[in-house]
Amino acid sequence: QVQLVESGGGVVQPGMSLRLSCAASEFTFSSYGMHWVRQAPGKGLEWVAVISYDGSNKYYADSVKGRFTISRDNSKNTLYLQMISLRAEDTAMYYCAKDLWIQQLLSPHFDYWGQGTLVTVSS
Amino acid sequence: QSALTQPASVSGSPGQSITISCTGISSDAGTYKLVSWYQHHPGKAPRLMIYEVSKRPSGVSNRFSGSQSGNTASLTISGLQAEDEAHYYCCSNARSSTPHVVFGGGTKLTVL
Repeated sequence: QVQLVESGGGVVQPGMSLRLSCAASEFTFSSYGMHWVRQAPGKGLEWVAVISYDGSNKYYADSVKGRFTISRDNSKNTLYLQMISLRAEDTAMYYCAKDLWIQQLLSPHFDYWGQGTLVTVSS
Repeated sequence: QSALTQPASVSGSPGQSITISCTGISSDAGTYKLVSWYQHHPGKAPRLMIYEVSKRPSGVSNRFSGSQSGNTASLTISGLQAEDEAHYYCCSNARSSTPHVVFGGGTKLTVL
């Protein structure tokens, strides 16, 4: 069974940095695009970023562009989200999600999601 | 980045049918069937219910169906059950200075 397990969340002060990880198993990680999606408290889902199966293409939501960097290590079956200059409005549950189709980019079809890791930005 | 527009809430009684709309689908996304729907129960991971406008993943009940007309996609749930009570989100691609994915604002379904 496909598993996605996020980690790295926590409480940080505004302006600080944090790196999230998403460990993938039971599928050929290196063949699928991967996404980060977040949900702020009491709000809806917000797409954050995508990375292609081979890491060669990356796209970001305007709200995080220039502050967040998505990356992957296919040898470790792990997806990352490096977040710098964090703001209060970045407080959210962060989910990683797998593309439904192999070698797709920017498909809105996510067939597996992790349980999420909570990031709280507060002074 | 423009969001897709969904009603904030819908409700129905057990056994009834409801439809949730999602307005703002781009012409390209419509042409290439780049529309999906997710069910989200509090504290759980979102679940893919519909992809490519109207296809159901394995394991999703045939009570769930999707369609699209023009720039509006719709999710219909027939034979409402108590466990259908959740938030539902549409998702698609959107035109912008850079390619991206966008979610609708979400619809809270209440089963009365």
